Amino acid sequence: GDSVTQMEGPVTLSEEAFLTINCTYTATGYPSLFWYVQYPGEGLQLLLKATKADDKGSNKGFEATYRKETTSFHLEKGSVQVSDSAVYFCALCRGGSQGNLIFGKGTKLSVKP
Amino acid sequence: DTAVSQTPKYLVTQMGNDKSIKCEQNLGHDTMYWYKQDSKKFLKIMFSYNNKELIINETVPNRFSPKSPDKAHLNLHINSLELGDSAVYFCASSPTSGFSYEQYFGPGTRLTVT
Repeated sequence: GDSVTQMEGPVTLSEEAFLTINCTYTATGYPSLFWYVQYPGEGLQLLLKATKADDKGSNKGFEATYRKETTSFHLEKGSVQVSDSAVYFCALCRGGSQGNLIFGKGTKLSVKP
Repeated sequence: DTAVSQTPKYLVTQMGNDKSIKCEQNLGHDTMYWYKQDSKKFLKIMFSYNNKELIINETVPNRFSPKSPDKAHLNLHINSLELGDSAVYFCASSPTSGFSYEQYFGPGTRLTVT
């Protein structure tokens, strides 16, 4: 079945460091890909998305490119801030009647000042 | 205005009890979902409703029963609660079940079964 694999956390970085969180997927067809973020004690918020190959999603300095050839959707940010500390989830959606999200296991990011 | 709201936010109860979690969305969306997040933060779909019709029913015990009185509400009723039901339950909605649509999540309900 469809699945999403994310790099294991936790990831601890210093402020202004470069961030990469790896995400690869397995799916039939051409799913849409998403990154969601969960701040402590809160629900999930969409961070960015891409709906077809080579699309780049971006938001708040975060970017991810839909790579069909490597089935990847890695999250990057050039300079992280303490306020970016959260759990990040990569997810795919196949659409149609199966419109639910399939999530990776999440990567906890801690940014130290 | 809260887009997707859930009540209660916290729920502590004993094994064997029956409880309900309510979800409401004011976004005019057609599709609503229930997800379960376990203690390791892993999220998994439980149910999906589209215009009050059940679309997805993953391998969830029969003790869990969703109810959608109208397309703005999707409630989750749980019978005979067990320790393993302790988790955070998230409601979500999307405009439709199309693959490119963002899902909007509620703040979650933390269920603790003692």
